[in-house]
Amino acid sequence: GQQVMQIPQYQHVQEGEDFTTYCNSSTTLSNIQWYKQRPGGHPVFLIQLVKSGEVKKQKRLTFQFGEAKKNSSLHITATQTTDVGTYFCALPGEGGSEKLVFGKGTKLTVNP
Amino acid sequence: NAGVTQTPKFQVLKTGQSMTLQCAQDMNHNSMYWYRQDPGMGLRLIYYSASEGTTDKGEVPNGYNVSRLNKREFSLRLESAAPSQTSVYFCASSRYEKLFFGSGTQLSVL
Repeated sequence: GQQVMQIPQYQHVQEGEDFTTYCNSSTTLSNIQWYKQRPGGHPVFLIQLVKSGEVKKQKRLTFQFGEAKKNSSLHITATQTTDVGTYFCALPGEGGSEKLVFGKGTKLTVNP
Repeated sequence: NAGVTQTPKFQVLKTGQSMTLQCAQDMNHNSMYWYRQDPGMGLRLIYYSASEGTTDKGEVPNGYNVSRLNKREFSLRLESAAPSQTSVYFCASSRYEKLFFGSGTQLSVL
């Protein structure tokens, strides 16, 4: 089945520091999505990347899709306490199916 | 807007008991999902439904059954609950591959 590795599993930063999480696939992807889950909440869609080498920004968040479409990253500049939560990447299932496969997530804590 | 509504929010079962988790969406989406979330394991797909009347197994379907009653509703049934099914269950629907999640059901099986 579809293999996805997301690192790191945990990241603790001081407020104002940057944060990056990485997602790697064993296969070439048609697209990749990112979700954020606040503590005690449910996952919320952040973005979908489709094109090779694509870079998208949402305020302090920068999303990249690798040239080979096998990896992606989410970078947060100058973290704030509101960034606390778990960030997941999600890949299409085998054959590009809608059965999304989620990475295990990176749990971000921010020390004020 | 209600979005995706799951009931109940919390449930405690004894081993061997059965129950059904209910999910309904009001966004007219075709695709619906059931995921379970366990610490350190991310979200794992239990079952998927591409449209009314169709269901498909996900990564961890054993011990579960589903029913896509109509376009709005997708229920998950545990026929004989086991402690290994203690988890948080999320229902979701999708449009253009973007998932919208319900608020989850926290299930404990003793």
